[in-house]
Amino acid sequence: DAGVIQSPRHEVTEMGQEVTLRCKPISGHNSLFWYRQTMMRGLELLIYFNNNVPIDDSGMPEDRFSAKMPNASFSTLKIQPSEPRDSAVYFCASSLQATGSYNEQFFGPGTRLTVL
Amino acid sequence: RKEVEQDPGPFNVPEGATVAFNCTYSNSASQSFFWYRQDCRKEPKLLMSVYSSGNEDGRFTAQLNRASQYISLLIRDSKLSDSATYLCVGSPGAYNTDKLIFGTGTRLQVFP
Repeated sequence: DAGVIQSPRHEVTEMGQEVTLRCKPISGHNSLFWYRQTMMRGLELLIYFNNNVPIDDSGMPEDRFSAKMPNASFSTLKIQPSEPRDSAVYFCASSLQATGSYNEQFFGPGTRLTVL
Repeated sequence: RKEVEQDPGPFNVPEGATVAFNCTYSNSASQSFFWYRQDCRKEPKLLMSVYSSGNEDGRFTAQLNRASQYISLLIRDSKLSDSATYLCVGSPGAYNTDKLIFGTGTRLQVFP
């Protein structure tokens, strides 16, 4: 079975450019998460969706970041305009959430973003 | 203060050694805890959940001490393949574990 798919795997862009990261969750999963990982701050949750609806976006750093989930099989994280401090690895994860139990989050391979 | 704190290491141990990592959490309302493993330049993967009674999975043992607000992971008979970063993870909800708070990780290097 295919795991979480992310694209691109690597992105190098210049400050001020728009960056779009893409994620395809595992088929059948109903929750999707976007994380950012840096050496200094570790892995931080940016936003998560349940049944395509944004539930918690308190981790989104600022208005330059936006995320959408137009359907159950696709999500995007957009940064506009990008800044050098946005350089990080961005992970997408998905899970099948059921009330009353922990359901493992499966992570994609990540997108390594470098903003020059 | 970070909500979940870990010693970044690295812990350098020989094959066959026993090694233990601790992690502290600041939110006393946190209900669920986990250890994730992350290999270099790879994604995190769930290693094991942590229960109050303690739980064991082969060479790995996890413990939770709610009174002192710390979680531990013990690895016995270390293998070269155990070399990775171990992430301590907490979740504030007992019934909604969607939101995970990750520590910055403890790096383990097992040498021959």
